[in-house]
Amino acid sequence: DTAVSQTPKYLVTQMGNDKSIKCEQNLGHDTMYWYKQDSKKFLKIMFSYNNKELIINETVPNRFSPKSPDKAHLNLHINSLELGDSAVYFCASSQGYGFVSDTQYFGPGTRLTVL
Amino acid sequence: AQKVTQAQTEISVVEKEDVTLDCVYETRDTTYYLFWYKQPPSGELVFLIRRNSFDEQNEISGRYSWNFQKSTSSFNFTITASQVVDSAVYFCALSCETSGSRLTFGEGTQLTVNP
Repeated sequence: DTAVSQTPKYLVTQMGNDKSIKCEQNLGHDTMYWYKQDSKKFLKIMFSYNNKELIINETVPNRFSPKSPDKAHLNLHINSLELGDSAVYFCASSQGYGFVSDTQYFGPGTRLTVL
Repeated sequence: AQKVTQAQTEISVVEKEDVTLDCVYETRDTTYYLFWYKQPPSGELVFLIRRNSFDEQNEISGRYSWNFQKSTSSFNFTITASQVVDSAVYFCALSCETSGSRLTFGEGTQLTVNP
């Protein structure tokens, strides 16, 4: 009955590798997000998609590329991983079209460690 | 630009004490929403409450209560008769009309409830 799920939960990899994190929601929501939580627990939005359309694209390196095959899935692909990419990445979803009133429901997070 | 400040980085209390977590926000928008999320040691982000800028009524849910005061731009969270299971990082967040569904998070408050 998991509402927003992410895989994997932990990801340990070497610098320079390419990796993907998958996210799926079964809430029937129209909008999905990626957030990054750094080592100081600070949360910042990275991307948002509504029904496969990119609606928020914050200033993140272009090594990060989101892909939404359908409105229930939003994956995050990261190329040429760097030490500074180590963080917890959260996927979230909300019902509306990215409205100010939308409540976002978060997945369990993926802890990425780059060695 | 919008901003959320949670000045209390860490709070430690003894079980059964009441504790208030402070949240101060900044925005020039007249329409905005405020949120509280809980991040327990297991790491997931759990939605607690959403409040819009036009509703200043206080809200109570069991041992949790929220006090929204537009005059001081504050949205404080009180836990009554705290329990060990309340130990977590608590985040206050803001979404504004001009920024759509982007959530701006505070830095979080680490609450530790000791037996």
